[in-house]
This record gives sequence, C-alpha cells and structure tokens, in this order.
Amino acid sequence: SAVISQKPSRDICQRGTSLTIQCQVDSQVTMMFWYRQQPGQSLTLIATANQGSEATYESGFVIDKFPISRPNLTFSTLTVSNMSPEDSSIYLCSVLDSYEQYFGPGTRLTVT
Amino acid sequence: AQSVTQLDSHVSVSEGTPVLLRCNYSSSYSPSLFWYVQHPNKGLQLLLKYTSAATLVKGINGFEAEFKKSETSFHLTKPSAHMSDAAEYFCVVSPYSEGGKLIFGQGTELSVKP
Repeated sequence: SAVISQKPSRDICQRGTSLTIQCQVDSQVTMMFWYRQQPGQSLTLIATANQGSEATYESGFVIDKFPISRPNLTFSTLTVSNMSPEDSSIYLCSVLDSYEQYFGPGTRLTVT
Repeated sequence: AQSVTQLDSHVSVSEGTPVLLRCNYSSSYSPSLFWYVQHPNKGLQLLLKYTSAATLVKGINGFEAEFKKSETSFHLTKPSAHMSDAAEYFCVVSPYSEGGKLIFGQGTELSVKP
C-alpha cells in the first residue's frame, strides 16, 4: 500500500498570504488528488494532478487560487493563494495505487 | 450526476449493540462504492469497497456492507459496537467514467456509549 506524507501537518497563516503544501508518496503513482475538508464538513475534490499534464480542477476551484505542481510520479504541491479565513480547512492529498485510493494525514490550515 | 446521501448525520449506539449507518447512492452506471472512517485527528482509512463482485462486502474491524441495486443503497453494519468505533464515517462513490475521482457523502458521526 502507498504511504503518503504531507508537510506541514498544520499551520496558522495570516490573510493575504500563501501557503504551499507538499505531498510525498513512497511509490510511483500516476494519479494524485487534492481534497479539502472544511470544518465539520465532508471532503471535496479540488483537483486531479497527473504527472506530465496540467491539473484538472473541479467546479468552484481555479488555478489562480490553488496552483498545483506535479514534477514527478512521487511528489506534488498545492498552494493556497491569497488566503482568507474561508480557506481554513484540512487539505488532503490522495493517490490511486493498484486500484486502491490512499489518503495522506492532511494539513490543517487556519487563516487568521 | 453521481452522488451519495448519508441518511443520518449522527448515530449513537451502546457498546455491544449493532451498528447501522445508512447510505444511498445515485449513479447512471454500476458504481464503485466505499466506506471510509476518520478518527479524530487521524487520517482517512478505507473500511471496505464494492466493485461489482459480491454484493455483501466484508471489511476491516468486523464491518460489512451490502450493495442493493434495487434500493440504490450501500448500508454499513457491524454486529457489535466497540468504543473504538466512535468516529466519522463517509460513504463514497467513484464514478464509472472518472477513474480515481471520489465523491464523498456528508458523513455520519458514530458515538458509542459505554
């Protein structure tokens, strides 16, 4: 099974700033995904990030706000740009590996 | 459009009694369905999955779920609740045509009383 790590595990940021979240997988995977879990809510897919192509964003999410990089098959970053308190959430990276989907531990972001 | 509806936002049971968490899905095709569990301040863990094989799916920690196409349901059950089962449970559908993308239900919080 794929093991996923995320950095940072949590952060407190000021509004108007940006934070880049890193996702590292211990095996090569084609498909990586970024999800958001707002306080008390379920998970919502932000975008799909496949190596070698532009990320595909879900409705309501745009590249200017959530730029994603996928430089290789084991790593991805999600940046939350120009943050506002509404961006306070847990951000989770996940991967599809051998038809199973695995999730990272999440990054808990608080915007003040 | 694919979707899942978890019928209860919160379920409370006593330790040792059965657990039933209800989930209905909407899908144009035969979907892949999952149950995930999220313990407080922990990551998501896959409990079980249905991918068009046996309709009764057994998962980890004594949980199982039955896929009922006629009722478009995928309810999660456990014969006897344990205190450690207290967590948030998510019913999830993976659209047939969008490999890997997951659509989460709103979640059911399970409380277990001693």
